[in-house]
Amino acid sequence: EAQVTQNPRYLITVTGKKLTVTCSQNMNHEYMSWYRQDPGLGLRQIYYSMNVEVTDKGDVPEGYKVSRKEKRNFPLILESPSPNQTSLYFCASSPHLGQGYNEQFFGPGTRLTVL
Amino acid sequence: QQPVQSPQAVILREGEDAVINCSSSKALYSVHWYRQKHGEAPVFLMILLKGGEQKGHEKISASFNEKKQQSSLYLTASQLSYSGTYFCGTGDMIKAAGNKLTFGGGTRVLVKP
Repeated sequence: EAQVTQNPRYLITVTGKKLTVTCSQNMNHEYMSWYRQDPGLGLRQIYYSMNVEVTDKGDVPEGYKVSRKEKRNFPLILESPSPNQTSLYFCASSPHLGQGYNEQFFGPGTRLTVL
Repeated sequence: QQPVQSPQAVILREGEDAVINCSSSKALYSVHWYRQKHGEAPVFLMILLKGGEQKGHEKISASFNEKKQQSSLYLTASQLSYSGTYFCGTGDMIKAAGNKLTFGGGTRVLVKP
């Protein structure tokens, strides 16, 4: 089944404890992206990647890191999480690079709580 | 800057129509529409491209006014399954790299029997 998977789905952690949220897609997509969703603010892009070893900042990158060493994986790293990073996180992938041509496939989401 | 969606919420009876608007302060190349049901991931509905090309999904339609930098999503003869939060995502003319979208804050739609 073609899908985007994220792990963990739920995570409660404490301020300053490094964590990684994994994202993997099995559709051979070139483009991958991370979003955070907060009430009233919709989906805000954190980072995106157009291909292996190619990443760029989205609209809210502060406090986050990413890497794209393999085409299928795009982990999101919070090296020192803070309470304002409590949010619902979505990973998404898309098959081509063309501007606006292609739908994004979203993972199931990761609900993160930072105490 | 995020596009602005209106209304923020709408309640419909089954069979009624509704329009959701998405406005941007930037020149747009494309507009995407997604629907998210409670507790689920957003799901793609439609892409509208500069120049009028349109892709569709289900029985929901949309328009794209490039000059006004606006898009509208039309829910016609709404069904219970249309309930959810609708997001527009805009691709601007300057950032033409990849599929970088900026999403609006969402419009919550509730369709009642």
